[in-house]
Amino acid sequence: KQEVTQIPAALSVPEGENLVLNCSFTDSAIYNLQWFRQDPGKGLTSLLLIQSSQREQTSGRLNASLDKSSGRSTLYIAASQPGDSATYLCAVGGGSSNTGKLIFGQGTTLQVKP
Amino acid sequence: SQTIHQWPATLVQPVGSPLSLECTVEGTSNPNLYWYRQAAGRGLQLLFYSVGIGQISSEVPQNLSASRPQDRQFILSSKKLLLSDSGFYLCAWNADRVIYGYTFGSGTRLTVV
Repeated sequence: KQEVTQIPAALSVPEGENLVLNCSFTDSAIYNLQWFRQDPGKGLTSLLLIQSSQREQTSGRLNASLDKSSGRSTLYIAASQPGDSATYLCAVGGGSSNTGKLIFGQGTTLQVKP
Repeated sequence: SQTIHQWPATLVQPVGSPLSLECTVEGTSNPNLYWYRQAAGRGLQLLFYSVGIGQISSEVPQNLSASRPQDRQFILSSKKLLLSDSGFYLCAWNADRVIYGYTFGSGTRLTVV
C-alpha cells in the first residue's frame, strides 16, 4: 500500500529565506508526482507535475525534484514571500497496487513572516 | 481551456437529511473524475472515481454514493447524512492519470449538525 509522508508538518520562516519541503513515498512504481498548494478553506492549486522519467520541474521560484529510486521528492521555494503562506501537499500517482490513484501526504503548513 | 465547477461552496445540513453535491467539467470529453474528502487532521481521502459514464469505483465503504449521469458530470449523494460525513469535499479530473496531473475544483464545505 502506497504511503506518502511529508516533513516537516509545519514551518515558519522569515521573508526572503530559501526553503525546502520534503516528501517521501514507500512504493517507487509511480507514474508521476504532483505538488499542490492549498490556502485555508480553498481547493487545491497544482504547482508542479513531475513524470516518473523526469528528475525535476521548475516554475518561477519553485523547483521540485524527484528521486524515484529512493522514494523522495523535494519542493524548493526561493526567496520566500508572505504570499507563499499556505499548506503544501505532495501526491503520487501510481504504485504497484493502487491503479494510478492519487495518494496524498498530510501536507506542510508554511508561514512566511514579513 | 478546461474548467471544473463545484457547488455549492458551503452547506449546513441536519443529520438524516439527503445530500447532493455536483461537479461539472468543461472543455474536455471523457475525463476521469474523482471525489475526495478532506477531514480535519486526516488528509485527503479518495472516495470515488469514474473513468466513464455509469462507471463508478468506490474506495471506502461509507454512507455516500456517486453517479455519473453525463460525460462531464459527477454527483456525490447520500440518502441520510451522519455527523461523520462533515468535511471538505473536492472534485477533481484528469485526462489520463498516467500522463497528466489532476485539476481540483474549489470544494464544498459540508457541516452536518
